[in-house]
Amino acid sequence: NAGVTQTPKFRVLKTGQSMTLLCAQDMNHEYMYWYRQDPGMGLRLIHYSVGEGTTAKGEVPDGYNVSRLKKQNFLLGLESAAPSQTSVYFCASTPPGFGDTQYFGPGTRLTVL
Amino acid sequence: GQQVMQIPQYQHVQEGEDFTTYCNSSTTLSNIQWYKQRPGGHPVFLIQLVKSGEVKKQKRLTFQFGEAKKNSSLHITATQTTDVGTYFCKGDSWGKLQFGAGTQVVVTP
Repeated sequence: NAGVTQTPKFRVLKTGQSMTLLCAQDMNHEYMYWYRQDPGMGLRLIHYSVGEGTTAKGEVPDGYNVSRLKKQNFLLGLESAAPSQTSVYFCASTPPGFGDTQYFGPGTRLTVL
Repeated sequence: GQQVMQIPQYQHVQEGEDFTTYCNSSTTLSNIQWYKQRPGGHPVFLIQLVKSGEVKKQKRLTFQFGEAKKNSSLHITATQTTDVGTYFCKGDSWGKLQFGAGTQVVVTP
């Protein structure tokens, strides 16, 4: 049982490049989330999904897109990376319900030059 | 909109001392969760509080949920170097959730 995994762990992009971050969980959780973490700002919700085939916007969705084609995977895409998107990205999952414990992945450190 | 504020932002503690960090919400919460993130790590769930006035303990950590369900506190007694990290609260206001900015704890031996 690997829990929540994220790939890649580190990435450096140039402004305007695109990339996809992959989050996978093997706990059969319904809800999955993408957060970004910046110094002094805690965790901010980018997008979330309440089940396969459904996604919704969080607090800071601009510049990101997501897809949940399979229950175990939640993808975060950056179509045209900007320096403001330099951050640490965390994926999390829970059983059904926002009030449940969130299990976090190890994070992806992204730098946009 | 819902705002969750944590104070203090930073906490320097001598090993063996006690300290408290606070989480305050602008709206009533259905529940509140606390997480700990070690330097370079990811957030790890500590506890969830649901009932008004609820108090839970985990060894040297005591968690409280306010009577009005709008604030919470985490009190650590006899701080150890293993307590280093950032402590986050996450407020859930019936489906709308928000993390506080965290309290970064540094422990001096």
